Amino acid sequence: GAGVSQSPRYKVAKRGQDVALRCDPISGHVSLFWYQQALGQGPEFLTYFQNEAQLDKSGLPSDRFFAERPEGSVSTLKIQRTQQEDSAVYLCASSDLAGGPYNEQFFGPGTRLTVL
Amino acid sequence: DQQVKQNSPSLSVQEGRISILNCDYTNSMFDYFLWYKKYPAEGPTFLISISSIKDKNEDGRFTVFLNKSAKHLSLHIVPSQPGDSAVYFCAARDGTASKLTFGTGTRLQVTL
Repeated sequence: GAGVSQSPRYKVAKRGQDVALRCDPISGHVSLFWYQQALGQGPEFLTYFQNEAQLDKSGLPSDRFFAERPEGSVSTLKIQRTQQEDSAVYLCASSDLAGGPYNEQFFGPGTRLTVL
Repeated sequence: DQQVKQNSPSLSVQEGRISILNCDYTNSMFDYFLWYKKYPAEGPTFLISISSIKDKNEDGRFTVFLNKSAKHLSLHIVPSQPGDSAVYFCAARDGTASKLTFGTGTRLQVTL
């Protein structure tokens, strides 16, 4: 498919477990974003990559959250020692030009994480 | 501190009528605004955008109006169709950052 894909689509974790969420951006897209959407809220920015460089991680809520994009394509968002407040939909988005403020972000379907 | 606000959580409109969705913002550094539409179990999809140098942008049935002095924008859908039923998010970006700041969304229901 030509769109942004994310896996898994649904993840249930016990409190304290580590999870890894994967994002496959649109081929050739330079920029990649992660957002967190809590129930009844809008997406909130977590972190931003331009190719393999993580240029902004100001939205990561704690040091339990870590993101990487080692080859400038696929990205993984890792959450260590999950807590109940981490339950949310995690959205990945990509865009095709670096640095431009007007580039459309294309979103994936998200991963719904439930921490019990 | 909510920098982008959508004060109406839901809106119901009859098919064929106009839908007006509102959005307010507080950050004067925002210079580009977008509307996204979201269906259940899908990611947001881009609908229409407007730069702060304009006060109106139109694309088919969708028009976005920007009032910079009031820090207010609105999305007009004319005529509304049942397939427009979805959650609509207003988002904003400032020129120095690539990230989007979203509102909390308005659920639009278009009834027959």
